[in-house]
Amino acid sequence: EAQVTQNPRYLITVTGKKLTVTCSQNMNHEYMSWYRQDPGLGLRQIYYSMNVEVTDKGDVPEGYKVSRKEKRNFPLILESPSPNQTSLYFCASSLGQGWLGNSPLHFGNGTRLTVT
Amino acid sequence: AQSVTQLGSHVSVSEGALVLLRCNYSSSVPPYLFWYVQYPNQGLQLLLKYTSAATLVKGINGFEAEFKKSETSFHLTKPSAHMSDAAEYFCAVSEPERDDKIIFGKGTRLHILP
Repeated sequence: EAQVTQNPRYLITVTGKKLTVTCSQNMNHEYMSWYRQDPGLGLRQIYYSMNVEVTDKGDVPEGYKVSRKEKRNFPLILESPSPNQTSLYFCASSLGQGWLGNSPLHFGNGTRLTVT
Repeated sequence: AQSVTQLGSHVSVSEGALVLLRCNYSSSVPPYLFWYVQYPNQGLQLLLKYTSAATLVKGINGFEAEFKKSETSFHLTKPSAHMSDAAEYFCAVSEPERDDKIIFGKGTRLHILP
């Protein structure tokens, strides 16, 4: 089954404790992206990747890191989480965006992060 | 740069009534337009997509949307609401062949009244 898999689904952590949210897709998609969803703000893009070893900042990249060493994986790293990063996070992938094309995004089921 | 505005963060309709969710966009080139739906505790999934082939686009679950260039709108409709349609709906825009990402509206939560 074609899917985007995020782990974990729920995560509670404390300020400053490094964490990684994993994202994997099995559709051989070029493009991958991370979003955060907050009430009243909709979806905001954190980072995206057009291909392996190619990543770029989205609208709200501060406090986050990503890497794209393999085509299928796109982990989101919070080196020193803070309470304002409490949010619902989504990973998404597509065949391409922008100059690669404008294919629909496939989303994971989300990771609800709470930072205390 | 493109942008998208969804009118109404919450919309309530009675079961069996018409559903109308409004979306207006701005784009400097003919855009691609999307509607996504998010059911509780799930990620977003594509409802329908406009790519200039036809102005009336039919999607899943009986939804459709009409692209109106003169009004810069892409409103989502369904003739008869069902309880299972209760979800959050996102309109999105992207500009083909440009190095621009897809931009999402803030979302409209649809409530279905029994």
